[in-house]
Amino acid sequence: QKEVEQNSGPLSVPEGAIASLNCTYSDRVSQSFFWYRQYSGKSPELIMSIYSNGDKEDGRFTAQLNKASQYVSLLIRDSQPSDSATYLCAVISYSGAGSYQLTFGKGTKLSVIP
Amino acid sequence: SQTIHQWPATLVQPVGSPLSLECTVEGTSNPNLYWYRQAAGRGLQLLFYSVGIGQISSEVPQNLSASRPQDRQFILSSKKLLLSDSGFYLCAWSVEGSYQPQHFGDGTRLSIL
Repeated sequence: QKEVEQNSGPLSVPEGAIASLNCTYSDRVSQSFFWYRQYSGKSPELIMSIYSNGDKEDGRFTAQLNKASQYVSLLIRDSQPSDSATYLCAVISYSGAGSYQLTFGKGTKLSVIP
Repeated sequence: SQTIHQWPATLVQPVGSPLSLECTVEGTSNPNLYWYRQAAGRGLQLLFYSVGIGQISSEVPQNLSASRPQDRQFILSSKKLLLSDSGFYLCAWSVEGSYQPQHFGDGTRLSIL
């Protein structure tokens, strides 16, 4: 059973601070890692993809991957109230016979306080 | 560019009534298609996925079924809804056979009375 674990939160940070969201996964051979943002009542929206160890930056967002530790994180710099949402970590593993399994964590709820 | 359409946006149905939710994808061929359910305050539960026309895999036994009559059309159905079927239903697509992510439609909020 492939698992993706996230702290459910809520994580509260003041406006302008750095929000740090963490995720661990159980399948050592996982290949692709994603962060989705889900506003209340809306569908998940892909915001970051990372495929190799290290950091990947996109605007105020930085995804970090450490495959040895089976750990992926998302940093949000200069947090804004509009960043308040639930952030879902998702991991793809090859499950054999040409199929790929995407496993979602249950999400971390982020609240940015003005 | 690829787009995914899902309808209706909201639906209120009585217990025991049938259900049909439709999802279509534009701008890509032979996508993988998925149906998820998200109960209030809960995580995403994969219900069905399809890698091609007529090919459906079920992840959770229940009174729901899925069909893929055309390459870019995915339908979620039920003959008789239960109270426990309430939730937020999401359709998603991904590139065929790859490590690429899934992209979600806007979802259908289903309430069973």
